[in-house]
Amino acid sequence: AQSVTQLGSHVSVSEGALVLLRCNYSSSVPPYLFWYVQYPNQGLQLLLKYTSAATLVKGINGFEAEFKKSETSFHLTKPSAHMSDAAEYFCAVSDDSSASKIIFGSGTRLSIRP
Amino acid sequence: EAGVVQSPRYKIIEKKQPVAFWCNPISGHNTLYWYRQNLGQGPELLIRYENEEAVDDSQLPKDRFSAERLKGVDSTLKIQPAELGDSAVYLCASSLGAGQYTDTQYFGPGTRLTVL
Repeated sequence: AQSVTQLGSHVSVSEGALVLLRCNYSSSVPPYLFWYVQYPNQGLQLLLKYTSAATLVKGINGFEAEFKKSETSFHLTKPSAHMSDAAEYFCAVSDDSSASKIIFGSGTRLSIRP
Repeated sequence: EAGVVQSPRYKIIEKKQPVAFWCNPISGHNTLYWYRQNLGQGPELLIRYENEEAVDDSQLPKDRFSAERLKGVDSTLKIQPAELGDSAVYLCASSLGAGQYTDTQYFGPGTRLTVL
């Protein structure tokens, strides 16, 4: 069965600093991987997804993630944090090409310091 | 285009009372999902519909939870009777349809349930 582990329930960075949110996955088959963002009192929004094409995936709002099979990781990065990036971020995995069953991690809350 | 609509946004009830949540998916989306999100956790799937058919309800506590999706459009999730542990955010999502390669799920804003 697949699962994801997000390291760090809370990450705080200064505005303009690098954002790095860590995610490790476990899957018995080649996985499909996702990052979602959840702003306060809103639903989840897809940031990006890995579908076994390019290992470096670019998403919305300047975020990107790199699939590293040898490390079973899919970390999310952004070169320069903006105040509007403050939100909860969820890594997720699916072993189904239709992505009809997605397993979410427990989330990382990103805070941005002025 | 309107997104996934859910109502109510907030609900406070006493334990043992019934409660219902409503979801209207994005127009044309055949697949509908109900998730529960406990505080500090990621969403967990309760049930997935493809059109009118519940194709995955393995995580739905069937002793107290029920769901329906009549006519394959909007859906209702019901809890009867509610327990203290049911306090959570209930999220609805929709996608074009299973079988679409890495089909994207679009989420509604959720209903925050508090059981006293």
